[in-house]
Amino acid sequence: NAGVTQTPKFRILKIGQSMTLQCAQDMNHNYMYWYRQDPGMGLKLIYYSVGAGITDKGEVPNGYNVSRSTTEDFPLRLELAAPSQTSVYFCASTADRVPYEQYFGPGTRLTVT
Amino acid sequence: GEDVEQSLFLSVREGDSSVINCTYTDSSSTYLYWYKQEPGAGLQLLTYIFSNMDMKQDQRLTVLLNKKDKHLSLRIADTQTGDSAIYFCAESIRGYQKVTFGTGTKLQVIP
Repeated sequence: NAGVTQTPKFRILKIGQSMTLQCAQDMNHNYMYWYRQDPGMGLKLIYYSVGAGITDKGEVPNGYNVSRSTTEDFPLRLELAAPSQTSVYFCASTADRVPYEQYFGPGTRLTVT
Repeated sequence: GEDVEQSLFLSVREGDSSVINCTYTDSSSTYLYWYKQEPGAGLQLLTYIFSNMDMKQDQRLTVLLNKKDKHLSLRIADTQTGDSAIYFCAESIRGYQKVTFGTGTKLQVIP
């Protein structure tokens, strides 16, 4: 299994541009998540999904959109990028068994200038 | 609200024990976790404890849970340079659909 994969690893955007961060998992997990990690701030949940076709907002959803058309894929869309979206973005999925471990991708480092 | 707090930084000498502390606010937490993040990587589960337990030991790792004070700690015995990383405390509440992570503690191990 590849686990959770994310692309790209790095990206620089200009203010106002848009992009999609890709996330895929091959473990047949129903639950998937997008987090952002800012220095000294821990992880903040952006959006999550409990299965194909079902998504819900987390703590910091403004400026982002998601879709979940398949179990495997959970892309995160940034529209009209702003400097406040400069961060490291992590995608994760949860195993449907105790202890419900979250499996993380390697992250995407995004800079908006 | 749901808040998980940790100190930001801990420095220890190689061979000493490290103790990383965490406080959480939601008494209905079901599982509490410790995740490790190495530089440039995502988080990986290190260990966990179910909320009806007080202690869990796993090789060099000891997790202590004080539910009355909502306090969780991770002790790493015989700390090695490879233990240098950021350690996140996390709690799952009302099922496992969402997990709240702490701010992370950066552990620096001095040779």
